[in-house]
Amino acid sequence: DAGVIQSPRHEVTEMGQEVTLRCKPISGHNSLFWYRQTMMRGLELLIYFNNNVPIDDSGMPEDRFSAKMPNASFSTLKIQPSEPRDSAVYFCASSSAGAVNQPQHFGDGTRLSIL
Amino acid sequence: AQKVTQAQTEISVVEKEDVTLDCVYETRDTTYYLFWYKQPPSGELVFLIRRNSFDEQNEISGRYSWNFQKSTSSFNFTITASQVVDSAVYFCALSESGTYKYIFGTGTRLKVLA
Repeated sequence: DAGVIQSPRHEVTEMGQEVTLRCKPISGHNSLFWYRQTMMRGLELLIYFNNNVPIDDSGMPEDRFSAKMPNASFSTLKIQPSEPRDSAVYFCASSSAGAVNQPQHFGDGTRLSIL
Repeated sequence: AQKVTQAQTEISVVEKEDVTLDCVYETRDTTYYLFWYKQPPSGELVFLIRRNSFDEQNEISGRYSWNFQKSTSSFNFTITASQVVDSAVYFCALSESGTYKYIFGTGTRLKVLA
């Protein structure tokens, strides 16, 4: 069975550019998460969707960040305009049954570098 | 308040040695779940195990075993006869009852030397 699929695996872009990260959750999972991982702050939850609806976006750092889930099999995380401090690894994860106490299955991550 | 502590920042062992990664948690809930994840050098996060607070039986999966002790609020992970492929960062996480949120520890980097 396919796991969580993220694209691109690596992204290098210049400050000020728009960045779009993509995620395809595991089929049948109704919960989706976006995380950011940095050395300084570890793993941070950015946003959580349940049944395509954003439930908790309290972790989104600022208005430059936005996330959408137009259907059960696709989500995007967009940064516009990007800044060097956004450089990090961004993970998408999915889970079943509303995610309550369920294992979250992570994608391979997108390593983002903003120059 | 919820907290997960992985006091060992980095551990180095020689191949075939046994190694234990410590995880200590804090929660006021009586029902909660604990998880371990592996992050190899390639970067992905791999789910290893979930344990609920009512199940204190130790679990073994091949060379991996987990020791859950509520009395000491610990959920330790042992790798027997370590191999170079076990080199990774290992994260412990806590999820309180009724929530989707994980509280992650800071991770333990394990280096297994040939």
